[in-house]
Amino acid sequence: DGGITQSPKYLFRKEGQNVTLSCEQNLNHDAMYWYRQDPGQGLRLIYYSQIVNDFQKGDIAEGYSVSREKKESFPLTVTSAQKNPTAFYLCASSSWRGGQETQYFGPGTRLLVL
Amino acid sequence: EDQVTQSPEALRLQEGESSSLNCSYTVSGLRGLFWYRQDPGKGPEFLFTLYSAGEEKEKERLKATLTKKESFLHITAPKPEDSATYLCAVQAAGNTPLVFGKGTRLSVIA
Repeated sequence: DGGITQSPKYLFRKEGQNVTLSCEQNLNHDAMYWYRQDPGQGLRLIYYSQIVNDFQKGDIAEGYSVSREKKESFPLTVTSAQKNPTAFYLCASSSWRGGQETQYFGPGTRLLVL
Repeated sequence: EDQVTQSPEALRLQEGESSSLNCSYTVSGLRGLFWYRQDPGKGPEFLFTLYSAGEEKEKERLKATLTKKESFLHITAPKPEDSATYLCAVQAAGNTPLVFGKGTRLSVIA
C-alpha cells in the first residue's frame, strides 16, 4: 500500500526540548517537503530536499533542522530555538511524469507545547 | 515575489447552490497551478493541475479553469460532503517550490 506516513499524529514538547517528526514515503519520489500550517496562514515551507543528501531552506527554516540520508525518509527536528512551535506539520513528496510535477501530502503531525 | 490570493476566505452554500472559488496569482512564468482539498485535521488531497490558460479539468461536481491571472474552482450542485478547505498553489518556472494561498473554507448546508 503506497503512500506517505507521518508519525506521531500528536506530539507534545516541553520547554527547551528538541523533538523529531517522522516522514516516510514508499512512492519512490525524489523530492520531499516540510510545511507548517497555522490557522488562517495557509501552508508555509520549512525545508525541502530534491535529492538524497541535499536539502534547502524554505521561507521559515529558523529553529528547524532536517536530514535526508535515505530516499524514503525526511525527518524534521523542531529545536528549542523555535519559540512558537505549536502548529500542524505536513510532509509532502512529489513525482515527475511527462515533465510535470505533482505533490502529495501525508496525514500531518500536530505539535503542542506543554 | 510569487503570490497567491484566494477569495472568499469562507463560503457558505445551501445544498445544490452552485458557486465558484477564486485563486488570483502573480508568478514569474507559470509552470503549473494546483488545487487541493483539505478536511479538518488531515493532509491536503490533490485535485487538479492546470498548466496553460484556457485549460479546464473536471472531477465529479468540481471544475477548474485557468486564465493568465487567475483560476476558478466551480462547484456544481454541491453536497454537504463537499465541505472542506480548498487550497490553491502555483509553481513558477525553474523547478521552484509551490507557493500556497491561504485557502477558502467551504461549508455546504443540507
